[in-house]
Amino acid sequence: SQQGEEDPQALSIQEGENATMNCSYKTSINNLQWYRQNSGRGLVHLILIRSNEREKHSGRLRVTLDTSKKSSSLLITASRAADTASYFCATGGSSNTGKLIFGQGTTLQVKP
Amino acid sequence: DTAVSQTPKYLVTQMGNDKSIKCEQNLGHDTMYWYKQDSKKFLKIMFSYNNKELIINETVPNRFSPKSPDKAHLNLHINSLELGDSAVYFCASSQAVGGETQYFGPGTRLLVL
Repeated sequence: SQQGEEDPQALSIQEGENATMNCSYKTSINNLQWYRQNSGRGLVHLILIRSNEREKHSGRLRVTLDTSKKSSSLLITASRAADTASYFCATGGSSNTGKLIFGQGTTLQVKP
Repeated sequence: DTAVSQTPKYLVTQMGNDKSIKCEQNLGHDTMYWYKQDSKKFLKIMFSYNNKELIINETVPNRFSPKSPDKAHLNLHINSLELGDSAVYFCASSQAVGGETQYFGPGTRLLVL
C-alpha cells in the first residue's frame, strides 16, 4: 500500500528562489529518505534522516522530520535550473529488509 | 563505470510474449531490488534479493520471476505479458539487506501492445 503522500504534486519557481516539498506517511519508520529523478532517468539518493533526528543539511538541501505528525519537508535553497526534476520521499520501516515505500513525488520546475 | 546497469533500455513487445530484463551492479553490494514505476510515477517495490536469496516478495503476479545467478546480477523474467505490465522497471542495489541508501539503475521502459 502507498505510504507517503507528497505536497504539492507540482511546483514551479524562478531560479534563485527556495523550493519546499512536503511528505506525509502513515506507519512508524526507521528512516526517511529523499530521492531525485530527472526526466527519463533513475532515482538518485539525496539525503537520509533517521527517526531520532529532527533536521539534517546537505549542501543546499535541508530536511526536517516530525515523527509526531508523521511528516517531513525538503527545502532546496537558491534553486537552479538543474534542480528541475521529480522529488520523492521514501520511508524505511523497522523490519530491516531494506524495503522502501515511496510517495508519489513532487515535480519541480525551476525556470531560468 | 556505470554502477547499476539495466538492459534493455526500451522494450516493446506484444501481449502474451515472454521477456527478460537484466540488471547488473558493480558496487559490490549484497542486496538488489526490482521496482515498478507506473504512468503516474508511483514507484513500488516488487522483489529484493540478498546474496542470491529472496528477501522481499511483494504481491506480484507469479508471471514475474526474479532470478539471481550471483549477487551482482538480478534479472526479471515476465511470462505472458499483459497490457497492464507496461511501466518503467527499475533495478536498485544497497550495500546489505537493511542497507539504507539504494542506488538505482536507469530503468527499462516496457511497452506491451
